[in-house]
Amino acid sequence: EVQLVESGGGLVQPGRSLRLSCAASGFTFDDYTMHWVRQAPGKGLEWVSGINWNSGTTGYADSVKGRFTISRDNAKNSLYLQMNSLRAEDTALYYCAKDSLWRRYFGAFDFWGQGTMVTVSS
Amino acid sequence: QSALTQPPSASGSPGQSVTISCTGTSSDVGGYNYVSWYQQHPGKAPKLMIYEVSERPSGVPDRFSGSKSGNTASLTVSGLQAEDETDYYCSSYAGSNNFVFGGGTKLTVL
Repeated sequence: EVQLVESGGGLVQPGRSLRLSCAASGFTFDDYTMHWVRQAPGKGLEWVSGINWNSGTTGYADSVKGRFTISRDNAKNSLYLQMNSLRAEDTALYYCAKDSLWRRYFGAFDFWGQGTMVTVSS
Repeated sequence: QSALTQPPSASGSPGQSVTISCTGTSSDVGGYNYVSWYQQHPGKAPKLMIYEVSERPSGVPDRFSGSKSGNTASLTVSGLQAEDETDYYCSSYAGSNNFVFGGGTKLTVL
């Protein structure tokens, strides 16, 4: 059974940093692209970032480019999101999601975690 | 990276069919066959319903179907049931290692 468990969220002041983690199990982690998707309270889904199976390809939404960095540790079956220079508009539930395609970057998000909440406020 | 355009709401009576549109550009929906659809119940994580425009993951009822014409993708729910009442989102690969979601559609079963 595929499981994705996010952690690391919390309350942080504007301008500060936070690192999110996602622990994966139930599938061969190093064969799949992974993504972060966020959802502000009462709002829709927003793709944040993706990283392919060997970390050779990454992508970022314009809204986070230059501030957020995605990474993965295949030996630990873990995905990370380093978030710097946080802003109030980054307040959201952050989901970790698995890509559906084996060793490709174009797929759908077929499994999701339950999310970790990030609140940016002074 | 502009969001895909979905109608804010859609509705239909039990047993009827309803179609939700998702309009993008030639740089996303029109340029790739990597459109997917998600169902999200309140307080829950999204669930993949359709991938690669019209493919259904195992376990998704065949009442759900997808299609695409030009820059617009569509999700059709046939034989509407009460449990289909919730939010639906489309997504597309948008080139340059980026993805984009639609704003979401709230489906009401009358």
